[in-house]
Amino acid sequence: EVQLVESGGGLKQPGGSLRLSCAASGFTFSINAMSWVRQAPGKGLEWVAYINTNSHYIKYADSVKGRFTISRDNAKNSLFLQMNSLRADDTSVYYCVSVTTSRFDYWGQGTLVTVSS
Amino acid sequence: SYVLTQPPSVSVAPGQTAGITCGGNNIGSKSVHWYQQKPGQAPVLVVYADSDRPSGIPERFSGSNSGNTATLTITRVEAGDEADYYCQVWDSSSDHYVFGTGTKVSVL
Repeated sequence: EVQLVESGGGLKQPGGSLRLSCAASGFTFSINAMSWVRQAPGKGLEWVAYINTNSHYIKYADSVKGRFTISRDNAKNSLFLQMNSLRADDTSVYYCVSVTTSRFDYWGQGTLVTVSS
Repeated sequence: SYVLTQPPSVSVAPGQTAGITCGGNNIGSKSVHWYQQKPGQAPVLVVYADSDRPSGIPERFSGSNSGNTATLTITRVEAGDEADYYCQVWDSSSDHYVFGTGTKVSVL
């Protein structure tokens, strides 16, 4: 059974930093591209970042480019999202998602990030 | 940037058919995927590549895509189908993934 378990969410002040982690199991993590997708409270889904299997191709949504960094550790079956210069509009549930061609196959349960003073 | 437009809400009686549209410029040339999200849960892929179903998804869920509109169709609607539904594509121009605005399906 595919499992994606996010952690690291919490309450942060504007301008602060946070690192999200995602532990993957039940599939061959190293041969799957991965992404982070977020959802603000009561709002729709927003793609945040993408990383390919060997970390050589990475892309970001314009809303987070220059502030967020996606990375992975294939040896530890883990995905990460380093979030810097946090803003109130970054408040969302962040989902770890596996990517196959152009679709998001499997989703974690999400971790809530709240940015507020 | 590429925009996908969905109706905010669709209401359907049990046993009837629900159609959820996803409008985008020449969306027929793209591969469209659909996700179901029930309250408090993560999204689940229900249709991919316009009309394919992942294993475990009932045949009642089907999709089509042509011109400027893609459609998710749910036949013989059940109370358990009540959820938010999102379409999604990969936009080659921006090399970004794009989600639709979402549609809330209510079962009367």
